[in-house]
Amino acid sequence: DIQMTQSPSTLSASVGDRVSITCRASQSISSWLAWYQQKPGKAPKLLIYKASSLESGVSSRFTGSGSGTEFTLTISSLQPDDFATYYCQQYRSYSRTFGQGTKVEIK
Amino acid sequence: EVQLVESGGGLVQPGGSLRLSCTASGFTVSSKYMSWVRQAPGKGLEWVSVIYSGGSTYYADSVKGRFAISRHNSNNTLYLQMNSLRAEDTAVYYCAGGGDNGDDLWGQGTLVTVSS
Repeated sequence: DIQMTQSPSTLSASVGDRVSITCRASQSISSWLAWYQQKPGKAPKLLIYKASSLESGVSSRFTGSGSGTEFTLTISSLQPDDFATYYCQQYRSYSRTFGQGTKVEIK
Repeated sequence: EVQLVESGGGLVQPGGSLRLSCTASGFTVSSKYMSWVRQAPGKGLEWVSVIYSGGSTYYADSVKGRFAISRHNSNNTLYLQMNSLRAEDTAVYYCAGGGDNGDDLWGQGTLVTVSS
């Protein structure tokens, strides 16, 4: 199975900060990577697909980059609504594994 | 309106069985890759199973041989039959729909508690 490793596990930041989350795959997944945002008690929400494509209706503050085994989600200017947990997911293989999550909290 | 609504969660004893349902509206379940994803209390997301539009099914190692995913086109519903349940299967179970562009549709989740 392909393992996905996110870093950091927790990120403390302030409104207006530029933040980045990294996701590494244990083997190449080309660009078959998605990013999700989840808030407490809610279902995940798709932000980015195919590593860098912005889902319709999602703020352009969110940018995805990378290919192969290393990927990054960047939030250009953190807003109050962005404090949440973020997950990457690979869908290169039939086992569509998630990273362990990165919680973005208020500094 | 395009949406997914899960049902069927509840309290079950270890070794017991439960069937989760996910009813779709606004699209047909056979047109998308349909997945089950779970989240144990206070933990991260864990992919459980997927059924592709062509009918192929795949499972996480942690549930292989115990869980079965299926869909019924007649009532536009996705199912997850869960047998031989264990305490570690306790989680909120989400159904999700998508394709090559990620899973863009999610249900609200249904809680499964495995306890004596």
